Amino acid sequence: AQTVTQSQPEMSVQEAETVTLSCTYDTSESDYYLFWYKQPPSRQMILVIRQEAYKQQNATENRFSVNFQKAAKSFSLKISDSQLGDAAMYFCAYRSASGANSKLTFGKGITLSVRP
Amino acid sequence: GAGVSQSPSNKVTEKGKDVELRCDPISGHTALYWYRQSLGQGLEFLIYFQGNSAPDKSGLPSDRFSAERTGGSVSTLTIQRTQQEDSAVYLCASKGLAGVTDTQYFGPGTRLTVL
Repeated sequence: AQTVTQSQPEMSVQEAETVTLSCTYDTSESDYYLFWYKQPPSRQMILVIRQEAYKQQNATENRFSVNFQKAAKSFSLKISDSQLGDAAMYFCAYRSASGANSKLTFGKGITLSVRP
Repeated sequence: GAGVSQSPSNKVTEKGKDVELRCDPISGHTALYWYRQSLGQGLEFLIYFQGNSAPDKSGLPSDRFSAERTGGSVSTLTIQRTQQEDSAVYLCASKGLAGVTDTQYFGPGTRLTVL
């Protein structure tokens, strides 16, 4: 079974600074997908960024980028120019590329606070 | 609708009572998922529906939990004889039939509190 580990329960960043959130995972599969989701106090899970394991190039979405290290099974999220609206819980998630059930396996999440 | 909706937003019940949680997926989405988020934990998969196929119930924690999806659209998650450990946020997500990079869209969840 796949597992996703987010070892830092909380992080804090100064507004306009850069912060990196860590995530590691364990799998025996070679083809899979990785995601970062944001969950604000409204509870709505919002997709931030995704990465296909077969792609060597790291995904980027505006101020959000990932550092995907397949051999190390590491998938960190970098938030540049942090904004107050970035404060939320962030979850790393894994999805197998095979099988009919495309369920997501989540880490425990990290609470990010942004200091003005 | 424009997004996934869930009702009720919050539900408080007494131990031993049955509860029903509802999910309205995005129109046209064929796949529907239920997840549970306990305090301080990540999301835990419960059940998956895809079209007319038999659901994948492998994540349901006990036989007190069941779910159905009527007409391939609305889904109801039922918890019988609720226990205090059932207290959690129950999230629903839906997904269209797209490529392998298709995205699950989540609803706002139902916060269940069992007294």
